[in-house]
Amino acid sequence: GAVVSQHPSWVICKSGTSVKIECRSLDFQATTMFWYRQFPKQSLMLMATSNEGSKATYEQGVEKDKFLINHASLTLSTLTVTSAHPEDSSFYICSARPTGGGEQFFGPGTRLTVL
Amino acid sequence: DAKTTQPTSMDCAEGRAANLPCNHSTISGNEYVYWYRQIHSQGPQYIIHGLKNNETNEMASLIITEDRKSSTLILPHATLRDTAVYYCIAARGTASKLTFGTGTRLQVTL
Repeated sequence: GAVVSQHPSWVICKSGTSVKIECRSLDFQATTMFWYRQFPKQSLMLMATSNEGSKATYEQGVEKDKFLINHASLTLSTLTVTSAHPEDSSFYICSARPTGGGEQFFGPGTRLTVL
Repeated sequence: DAKTTQPTSMDCAEGRAANLPCNHSTISGNEYVYWYRQIHSQGPQYIIHGLKNNETNEMASLIITEDRKSSTLILPHATLRDTAVYYCIAARGTASKLTFGTGTRLQVTL
């Protein structure tokens, strides 16, 4: 099956710093990728839809200037959490949908801890 | 996208069939029923999806009622590795974003 990777798998940073998370589709091209956030004991919440070569579409309540998304190629999308604070600590998960269609495939997630 | 309702949790003995129900009474004609599962601290895994016909793959079977207001995911021989949170999602095909509800926590026991 299709594989999506994320890097890093976990990261600890100090409050006020920025953190970049990468999402890669390893064996397929993905025009569209999605970014989710999951707090402990809660479900996944969609943050934004990332389209290759264009601006991301953010869900209501998600600050686009704080969560910067770049989808520069058909196999890579990045999420940068700028000026991270402890309340941004969460499990960040991406998914990718193959350009030719089909279901979404999810990455393994990145656990962010902001001290 | 239509709202889905699932039981909060279920138990199943290893080797037995696990039947996970989902209610989607407001589903529209162009919405598919998707099932994903999430094992602890991992990303969700696609299981199966269908529109109105029953579907089967190597992981599971999906039974959709004739009026499409509910469906059941069947894991024919549950194993301990099937312990996970199972999400039922109604979405307008693969072009749509997926809205995750609270899901059903399936615990498979010896």
